[in-house]
Amino acid sequence: EVLLVESGGGLVQPGRSLRLSCVASGFSFDDYAMHWVRQAPGKGLEWVSGINWNSRGIGYADSVKGRFTISRDNAKNSLYLQINSLRAEDTAFYYCAKDKAGTFDHWGQGTLVTVSS
Amino acid sequence: IQLTQSPSSLSASVGDRVTITCRASQGIDNYLAWFQQKPGKAPKLLIYAASTLQSGVPSSFSGSGSGTDFTLTISSLQPEDFATYYCQQYNSYPFTFGPGTKVDIK
Repeated sequence: EVLLVESGGGLVQPGRSLRLSCVASGFSFDDYAMHWVRQAPGKGLEWVSGINWNSRGIGYADSVKGRFTISRDNAKNSLYLQINSLRAEDTAFYYCAKDKAGTFDHWGQGTLVTVSS
Repeated sequence: IQLTQSPSSLSASVGDRVTITCRASQGIDNYLAWFQQKPGKAPKLLIYAASTLQSGVPSSFSGSGSGTDFTLTISSLQPEDFATYYCQQYNSYPFTFGPGTKVDIK
C-alpha cells in the first residue's frame, strides 16, 4: 500500500522559514517524480513544485519561485519543501503527491502551514 | 496555462447525468486529469490522459476531449459522488488546476 506522510507544518510568523517533509512507503520511491500541492482553507488546489526521480528536473509555480526549494533523498524515501520568507498567502494545507505520468495518483493527508504574527 | 471550469457549482439529484467542462488557455494535447475532493480529504484521481479511468474508479465516470476542451461526465450520480471536482493540466510546468466545480444535492 502506498503511504505518504507529511510533517513539519505549524504556526509560523511572516518572514520566517519552514521545512516540510514527506516520507513515502509502499512503492519504489526512486522510480517516481514527486510533487507538492497546496490548498488554502476553503479554496482550490494549487500545484507548488515537482521534482523528477534524480532531482535533475525541477519545476515551481510562479507564485513560489525564488522562495521555495524542493528536494529529495532517495536513500531515506523522503521529499522536502524548504519555504523561505513566509507570507500570509502561503497559509494552506500542503500535500505531498506521487507522480503518475505528470499527474498525481497518491496523496498524503496534508500538513497545515499557518502564517500569522 | 490557465484552466477554466464550468459550471462553478451545480445542484443535481441521485441518478442524474452530470457533465463538467474544462477549457485550457492553449492546447495541452491530452495531458489532462480530473480529481474528486470531499471535505477534509485529499483529492482522489479519477481520470488521466483525458479519458483513462484510474484503477478502482467506477465506470460511471468518464472523460473526453483533447487540445483545449475537455469534459468529465458522471453517467448516474450516486450519493457518494457529491463533492468538488478539479481538472489539472500536466502538459508543461508549471502544472495548473482549474478552479473547481462543486456538485451538491438538489
